[in-house]
Amino acid sequence: DAGVTQSPTHLIKTRGQQVTLRCSPKSGHDTVSWYQQALGQGPQFIFQYYEEEERQRGNFPDRFSGHQFPNYSSELNVNALLLGDSALYLCASSRGDGPYEQYFGPGTRLTVT
Amino acid sequence: AQKITQTQPGMFVQEKEAVTLDCTYDTSDQSYGLFWYKQPSSGEMIFLIYQGSYDEQNATEGRYSLNFQKARKSANLVISASQLGDSAMYFCAMMDALNFGKGTSLLVTP
Repeated sequence: DAGVTQSPTHLIKTRGQQVTLRCSPKSGHDTVSWYQQALGQGPQFIFQYYEEEERQRGNFPDRFSGHQFPNYSSELNVNALLLGDSALYLCASSRGDGPYEQYFGPGTRLTVT
Repeated sequence: AQKITQTQPGMFVQEKEAVTLDCTYDTSDQSYGLFWYKQPSSGEMIFLIYQGSYDEQNATEGRYSLNFQKARKSANLVISASQLGDSAMYFCAMMDALNFGKGTSLLVTP
């Protein structure tokens, strides 16, 4: 049973560029959440997708957008990258019908130069 | 709004000893869930234990137990018989859209 997978593992981008990160949820999960974790900090919630709709959103600007596909996989897009966007981006999946624990992927380390 | 506070930036414990990691929370919701996650240096978040606000018993999962005191709004993680592999960051988190605390770095020494 494959867990949550994320790609790519590492990414280096230049300020102003755009980036797309990908996530495949754990088998049986229909909900995907994205988090940004800066060095030395706890993860910060970006948004959550359920049934291909954004169900909740954290305090992140519109430069951060996402999508969920019919197979429940998800993408996180960040436009007009800033140096401060450098972080570990974590994807988590869960079942959407209750307070179940979220299973996290290994993360994508984004560096903006 | 929900808020999680972890006041211990770092903790040390000797191997085989027990250790308690503190977590307090603030919410106006009557129904909520509390989670603890472990994050080793590799970066992946590992689920440890869950406590629902209406659960009458404190949650336990192997060496992990949660000391849930609802009136005090605290949900402390107790790790018994610490092992060297327990050295990691530990995060307390709350539903919905998991709000994480700043974490506690635990170092287990021989």
